[in-house]
Amino acid sequence: GIQVEQSPPDLILQEGANSTLRCNFSDSVNNLQWFHQNPWGQLINLFYIPSGTKQNGRLSATTVATERYSLLYISSSQTTDSGVYFCAVERHEGFNMRFGAGTRLTVKP
Amino acid sequence: DAGVIQSPRHEVTEMGQEVTLRCKPISGHDYLFWYRQTMMRGLELLIYFNNNVPIDDSGMPEDRFSAKMPNASFSTLKIQPSEPRDSAVYFCASSSTGVIGETQYFGPGTRLLVL
Repeated sequence: GIQVEQSPPDLILQEGANSTLRCNFSDSVNNLQWFHQNPWGQLINLFYIPSGTKQNGRLSATTVATERYSLLYISSSQTTDSGVYFCAVERHEGFNMRFGAGTRLTVKP
Repeated sequence: DAGVIQSPRHEVTEMGQEVTLRCKPISGHDYLFWYRQTMMRGLELLIYFNNNVPIDDSGMPEDRFSAKMPNASFSTLKIQPSEPRDSAVYFCASSSTGVIGETQYFGPGTRLLVL
């Protein structure tokens, strides 16, 4: 099956810093999403981005489908950005996504 | 709306016992998803429903697992008999349509520990 690798596995930032999280995948995909899981376990969708670039406030994401990677940018990080960021992909336009292991982000005040 | 509601929030049981996890999706949402999160395997989709009908249960690990959705406002995930390797956090999520990429709203999860 498709492989998903996220890097770095852990990231510690000072509040206000910027960061880039990476997701590499082993095959072409029609569905790629980024999720955030906060320290209390709550999961939320961030982006649906099988290709191109999207922005939502301080967060933006870019997927270069031909090179099989996606990047999540967090600017001016805040302590509330802490948690684990997951990338999930699916070859077909379905729901059975393969999740990466995640990047654990800690933002210190 | 109160969001997706799951119960119980925590469950501790002994190996061999039956476990039933419950989920109430957001009213009006036609799609309901069950996920499992473990340290070893990460997040996995177990099954999803559309209009109360199971569409894809290929992620259900084995026959000990079963899921039902008797009506639009209620779903259960049952494990019988439970085993220690079933210990995980089980999430329920719902979305209003089946458009790929549409936001799925997750419940708070049920943390299951099988001793």
